[in-house]
Amino acid sequence: KAGVTQTPRYLIKTRGQQVTLSCSPISGHRSVSWYQQTPGQGLQFLFEYFSETQRNKGNFPGRFSGRQFSNSRSEMNVSTLELGDSALYLCASSLDRVTDTQYFGPGTRLTVL
Amino acid sequence: GDSVTQMEGPVTLSEEAFLTINCTYTATGYPSLFWYVQYPGEGLQLLLKATKADDKGSNKGFEATYRKETTSFHLEKGSVQVSDSAVYFCALSDANTGNQFYFGTGTSLTVIP
Repeated sequence: KAGVTQTPRYLIKTRGQQVTLSCSPISGHRSVSWYQQTPGQGLQFLFEYFSETQRNKGNFPGRFSGRQFSNSRSEMNVSTLELGDSALYLCASSLDRVTDTQYFGPGTRLTVL
Repeated sequence: GDSVTQMEGPVTLSEEAFLTINCTYTATGYPSLFWYVQYPGEGLQLLLKATKADDKGSNKGFEATYRKETTSFHLEKGSVQVSDSAVYFCALSDANTGNQFYFGTGTSLTVIP
């Protein structure tokens, strides 16, 4: 069974731009979670989607948003990029609940200049 | 709220040395406990898990036992290899009370030949 895939793997943007990241979960998994990983803050939970609805949300500003499609694929959007948004963005999928075992993709490395 | 505390790194060991990475948790319910590993430039991979007290998770020579009395889930390996060099994350989730995974800050391990 194919694992979680994320595209693109690397991205370079400038301040003020917006960016969209994509995640395809493991086949049959309906819950998709997004995390931001930085050296200073570690792994921080952004949000979780299930059945095209945001079910859980971390403590991030409204510039961070996401959506999920009917095939469980998910996208994450960050608007008005700031230097501090430079990070590795990880997507994880799980069967039904956010508390089920999570399986991670390789991540998208975003650099904001 | 729920949380995970991991021993600070970095940890440097010689090949074939014994490894222990300490992890303690705080939870209001009965969480499942996990160890994930992250190799350079990659996402997190599930290493092992335990879903109830006294369960032992094991994989690739690594072991961890769910100790409710000490609220701990320490990771051990009897003889580390250079290929074990990575960052290790302890995590918990609680299906009954939680709405997200909680990760520790990660412990970097370097094994030298």
